[in-house]
Amino acid sequence: EDQVTQSPEALRLQEGESSSLNCSYTVSGLRGLFWYRQDPGKGPEFLFTLYSAGEEKEKERLKATLTKKESFLHITAPKPEDSATYLCAVIFTGGGNKLTFGTGTQLKVEL
Amino acid sequence: EAGVTQSPTHLIKTRGQQATLRCYPISGHTSVYWYQQALGLGLQFLLWYDEGEERNRGNFPPRFSGRQFPNYSSELNVNALELEDSALYLCASSYQQGRYGYTFGSGTRLTVV
Repeated sequence: EDQVTQSPEALRLQEGESSSLNCSYTVSGLRGLFWYRQDPGKGPEFLFTLYSAGEEKEKERLKATLTKKESFLHITAPKPEDSATYLCAVIFTGGGNKLTFGTGTQLKVEL
Repeated sequence: EAGVTQSPTHLIKTRGQQATLRCYPISGHTSVYWYQQALGLGLQFLLWYDEGEERNRGNFPPRFSGRQFPNYSSELNVNALELEDSALYLCASSYQQGRYGYTFGSGTRLTVV
């Protein structure tokens, strides 16, 4: 079964304490992997798209990487404003053009 | 550039009633996707419209339906509302069937009482 799994479900960090979020996927024919940030009661905000293993993208304190089985979202020296739910989603061959989402990692960054 | 707009922001309905939600995509985007996000759950795919046609449907009952208008805006209808339909309904739009990414609106919070 095509599946996207994110871990951990929740993560609490101190400001400046770097960490990584994981997104593993079991789909055939990955066409793209997307990372989004979602604040409470809001729609997901686009962060990155990765298309092939070995690809990396960076934006401010965030860096996303992709392998053949998983993606990591690395957060370097996080700040309280980075607190949000981070969602991973994939599109794959046979899945149409819809995004299939994981359940997200809820990140809390404390002073 | 204006983003994806959804209306209304909040909607309260009674069980058994019908709800209509609207989505206005980014100018130039021809695809619209609907998702349901129930409390504590991930985004579940509902429907995909492209160029006025329904292209794909998620694992939801037929009382969830919709359409896309000639201006590419879209409407989601939920008939015979049930309490478990309470959720945040999100719309996303894309250009060329997602080739350049997907942009989400802020959602409609539907509460069924």
